[in-house]
Amino acid sequence: QSVLTQPPSVSTAPGQKVTISCSGSSSNIGISYVTWYQQLPGTAPKLLIYDNNKRPSGIPDRFSGSKSGTSATLGITGLQTGDEADYYCGTWDTNLGVVFGGGTKLTVL
Amino acid sequence: QVHLVQSGPEVKKPGSSVKVSCKASRDTFNDYAISWVRQAPGQGLEWMGGILPILDVPKYAQNFQGRVTITADKSTNTAYIELSGLRSEDTALYYCAREMHSSTPYFDAWGQGTLVTV
Repeated sequence: QSVLTQPPSVSTAPGQKVTISCSGSSSNIGISYVTWYQQLPGTAPKLLIYDNNKRPSGIPDRFSGSKSGTSATLGITGLQTGDEADYYCGTWDTNLGVVFGGGTKLTVL
Repeated sequence: QVHLVQSGPEVKKPGSSVKVSCKASRDTFNDYAISWVRQAPGQGLEWMGGILPILDVPKYAQNFQGRVTITADKSTNTAYIELSGLRSEDTALYYCAREMHSSTPYFDAWGQGTLVTV
């Protein structure tokens, strides 16, 4: 059971937009920044969004992040088949250290 | 480009220990913390702990306290994680990752992963 709650899967068509939610509590998301990682099949996770809404160099602006209260959201626009991956949110919990969501599998139909 | 190069796969018997290494560049080792994250087959990510090599100060996740030891060798720019009392549930890919400076830690570069099979 993960500390942060994500939907197990989402799916949408190419070119469309999708959002992935991440729900936490006052001991983690409520007081910390949120990070998002993308894990393509068979590869290591890759940093997608940090500090709630900042993109590292090389990450296209199709990817965006936001946070409100104890929840966060990853948005992806202009979906491509290459975006099919598992997406994880992460943050710091005052009691547990770094915590992650259970991951969301994105399928682009 | 940040490179974190991990040691090869391991097969261990229950009750034994395993030690996985992660070699980084000197700049990374001097300026950043290295964390360890594992991923069981078909499962999510689980943070195990990390170390700031320049200060040699480790930190451990609650779930692994007493069973994990994270060390750093500054002479070879290599971080290590040792997990003892192995059980079948410890079968996983073990990743090292570079921890960025922020009020909330995050990981901007990852090793290729080391498969540990118990």
